[in-house]
Amino acid sequence: QKEVEQDPGPLSVPEGAIVSLNCTYSNSAFQYFMWYRQYSRKGPELLMYTYSSGNKEDGRFTAQVDKSSKYISLFIRDSQPSDSATYLCAMLLSNSGYALNFGKGTSLLVTP
Amino acid sequence: EAGVTQFPSHSVIEKGQTVTLRCDPISGHDNLYWYRRVMGKEIKFLLHFVKESKQDESGMPNNRFLAERTGGTYSTLKVQPAELEDSGVYFCASSQTGTGMNIQYFGAGTRLSVL
Repeated sequence: QKEVEQDPGPLSVPEGAIVSLNCTYSNSAFQYFMWYRQYSRKGPELLMYTYSSGNKEDGRFTAQVDKSSKYISLFIRDSQPSDSATYLCAMLLSNSGYALNFGKGTSLLVTP
Repeated sequence: EAGVTQFPSHSVIEKGQTVTLRCDPISGHDNLYWYRRVMGKEIKFLLHFVKESKQDESGMPNNRFLAERTGGTYSTLKVQPAELEDSGVYFCASSQTGTGMNIQYFGAGTRLSVL
């Protein structure tokens, strides 16, 4: 069983839609949960991170972590064509840890 | 401020040849990481430097891979001899040492094709 599972998509939505991206994981020791965005031919760029369970909001983006279910989500409100990218979830065992454990990434296309 | 820079952006070599990838981290970042993404798979950790020392190289696939970070600045990743399964995108990342969140900043990657 992979440590981090993420549906690769692709996911296509119309502009303005609410997007829900999800990952599940198997290692209950993960404490830090991150979402990276990657545009084509670019490196991953950190969008948001959350420590332990709970929600975190930043503009149109909301990250949720449910440690009891080993499930994390990223919601994008009022999606824009510029949000079209691959979204990768990643996890760390601790803040002193350094080896990010990535999901495969979900390809998102927001159509005008 | 310059981000993480990787060179070359793309390399095509034949099986059995040697290739060296280079990474220049963000200035002042002590931590440098190498990751790899093989087609269809997730990005996987290869190794971690703190300054010039290898902190963890548990993700290195085999002894055909050699990473160095002379002087604690830029790093190189050499593959010798290259095999077909080494094809993929090699990412470098760097981060500062501090009390805050360990945010890793990634380069654009080197796309390696072994024919």
